[in-house]
Amino acid sequence: DAGVIQSPRHEVTEMGQEVTLRCKPISGHNSLFWYRQTMMRGLELLIYFNNNVPIDDSGMPEDRFSAKMPNASFSTLKIQPSEPRDSAVYFCASSSPGVAYEQYFGPGTRLTVT
Amino acid sequence: LAKTTQPISMDSYEGQEVNITCSHNNIATNDYITWYQQFPSQGPRFIIQGYKTKVTNEVASLFIPADRKSSTLSLPRVSLSDTAVYYCLVGDPGMGPGGSYIPTFGRGTSLIVHP
Repeated sequence: DAGVIQSPRHEVTEMGQEVTLRCKPISGHNSLFWYRQTMMRGLELLIYFNNNVPIDDSGMPEDRFSAKMPNASFSTLKIQPSEPRDSAVYFCASSSPGVAYEQYFGPGTRLTVT
Repeated sequence: LAKTTQPISMDSYEGQEVNITCSHNNIATNDYITWYQQFPSQGPRFIIQGYKTKVTNEVASLFIPADRKSSTLSLPRVSLSDTAVYYCLVGDPGMGPGGSYIPTFGRGTSLIVHP
C-alpha cells in the first residue's frame, strides 16, 4: 500500500485566498484525522471522521475551516479565506476499524500564507 | 480525558539507554497508553501501546507501574537516528471514533542524541 497520500506537499498562498488540502487514506481504513502542527501549539487534532461521517470537529479553529469526506478514499480540508496565522504543517492520518490508537500519518502539507 | 505531562526535551549519547517518563495521574480504568515517534519533516509514527506492566517490541519497551499513573518509554542503545519527538497519549482505544477517544498529542518530548 502507498500509505496515506496528501497533496499538495507545499502550498504558498496570499492572505484571503482559498486553500484546499487533499488526503487519500489507506485502503480499508475507516477513520480519518486532520491535524495541524506549529511550533507554538504542537500537534493539534482538527477533526476526525468515522465511516465518512464527521465525529468530532471541536478542534476546528473557526468557521473559515471546513472538512469533507465524500467517500472512503478521499477527504479535503478547506480554509477560506486564509490568514497568515494559518501557516502550519497539516497532517492527515487514517486508522483501521477498531484500532483508532494506531494511526498512520501522511507526509503532511506545509502551508505558508503571506 | 487523561492529561499527560512529559519533559519538553532530553539529551543523550549514542549507545546509551534513554527513558522518557510520562505522567497521567487521572488515567481511567479503560485507558491505554500509546507512544508515537516523529522525525523531522515527517508525520508521527506509532511505536508502542500498553495497559499495564511491560510491553516490548523491536523498537522500544514500555513500563507501566501498578498504579498506572505514569509510564516510561525505554529506548535501548540509542543511535543518532533516534533523534525525534516522542509523544505519550492516553485514551480508551476501544471506544474509538464514534466514542470519546480524542487523540491528544501536545508538544511531546524532543530527544536529541549526540555522537
